[in-house]
Amino acid sequence: DAKTTQPPSMDCAEGRAANLPCNHSTISGNEYVYWYRQIHSQGPQYIIHGLKNNETNEMASLIITEDRKSSTLILPHATLRDTAVYYCIAEGQTGANNLFFGTGTRLTVIP
Amino acid sequence: EAGVAQSPRYKIIEKRQSVAFWCNPISGHATLYWYQQILGQGPKLLIQFQNNGVVDDSQLPKDRFSAERLKGVDSTLKIQPAKLEDSAVYLCASSTRWSAGSPKKETQYFGPGTRLLVL
Repeated sequence: DAKTTQPPSMDCAEGRAANLPCNHSTISGNEYVYWYRQIHSQGPQYIIHGLKNNETNEMASLIITEDRKSSTLILPHATLRDTAVYYCIAEGQTGANNLFFGTGTRLTVIP
Repeated sequence: EAGVAQSPRYKIIEKRQSVAFWCNPISGHATLYWYQQILGQGPKLLIQFQNNGVVDDSQLPKDRFSAERLKGVDSTLKIQPAKLEDSAVYLCASSTRWSAGSPKKETQYFGPGTRLLVL
């Protein structure tokens, strides 16, 4: 599994786009990038995943660089409810479906 | 659709006591996971079941932790005896059936967790 590096914390003004970076320079060709987030006192919540192409869903957009060594999760219009710890995970199918969570990025949305 | 249910939400025990946590996964989800999350860290997988069989328990401290999913639905995680360092949030998650041939991981859905404090 590729090691991921994320900044420990970030702030974002409410209503602005939140751009959360993730470095996964050792990612291999069959490893996907997954993003989960964990709001205080709740379990983690799936956000989005991707392999090569950029992805968008109702929650966020995922931009993966062409060399796949880094990616950015974009929350287009951050709200106070987006304050959470965001985990970037880069893993292939290891023979099990488990996920390795690092320490993530604590995003604080400021009013 | 009902989410993953866990109980109790909070538990305080003294060291060397026993404790059990219960999880009811999303209906129809074949795969169930137990994670331990120590304060300030990300969740760490303890055990993964597919139906009533264990897929991965390599990180489970088997001298004191045990888990079962006898009928392939609900699951219990037990700690006996508890140590101070077991203070953590215990998260249960479930997913649809995972296939070894699938290139990507199935989405995991987490419950709210049980917060354990060992004194």
